[in-house]
Amino acid sequence: NFMLTQPHSVSESPGKTVTISCTRSSGSIASNYVQWYQQRPGSAPTTVIYEDNQRPSGVPDRFSGSIDSSSNSASLTISGLKTEDEADYYCQSYDSSNYVFGTGTKVTVL
Amino acid sequence: EVQLVESGGGLVQPGGSLRLSCAASGFTFSSYDMHWVRQATGKGLEWVSAIGTAGDTYYPGSVKGRFTISRENAKNSLYLQMNSLRAGDTAVYYCARGSPTGSYGMDVWGQGTTVTVSS
Repeated sequence: NFMLTQPHSVSESPGKTVTISCTRSSGSIASNYVQWYQQRPGSAPTTVIYEDNQRPSGVPDRFSGSIDSSSNSASLTISGLKTEDEADYYCQSYDSSNYVFGTGTKVTVL
Repeated sequence: EVQLVESGGGLVQPGGSLRLSCAASGFTFSSYDMHWVRQATGKGLEWVSAIGTAGDTYYPGSVKGRFTISRENAKNSLYLQMNSLRAGDTAVYYCARGSPTGSYGMDVWGQGTTVTVSS
């Protein structure tokens, strides 16, 4: 089984851009899609990115996803930060009947 | 409106059993893979089990042999039978719908039900 490692926390001012990394420990990041979930305090997770870089309807285009095979990692970028973006973010992927979540990143909007 | 509503959580002693339920509405339940995901207080998300449309089931090593996922399509319901419970199973348990796009992700989540394992 593989692991997905994220930075524990990131913080930035409103209007700025943050990027959260998600590094896969073994196997190729490109071998299965990566999803990103947002979890606000006291709430259930919601999907902000699926299939590496696709946004569900209703998710603003300030959210974007990508993968980088050279670093074996995926990234979630949030541009034009708003206070409502303050939340925990988790990446997730799959391999061999095993669903793996990342360690989670707390985004603080200063 | 697509909705998932979990129930059945509560306080149980170590070694005990509990059965969680998830009522689905607003979509064709039988056409989707379904999952259980848990989150201990202050911790991250952990996948607990999955069931395919054909009834095939999958578990991580941490719960295999103790937990059983099942579904009853006629009742639009998902279940999780949890046996031999341990303190480490204490968490909020979420029911989640498998994404229909083939991404092996989850696209809709319930609000969760809390399981506490303690004497």
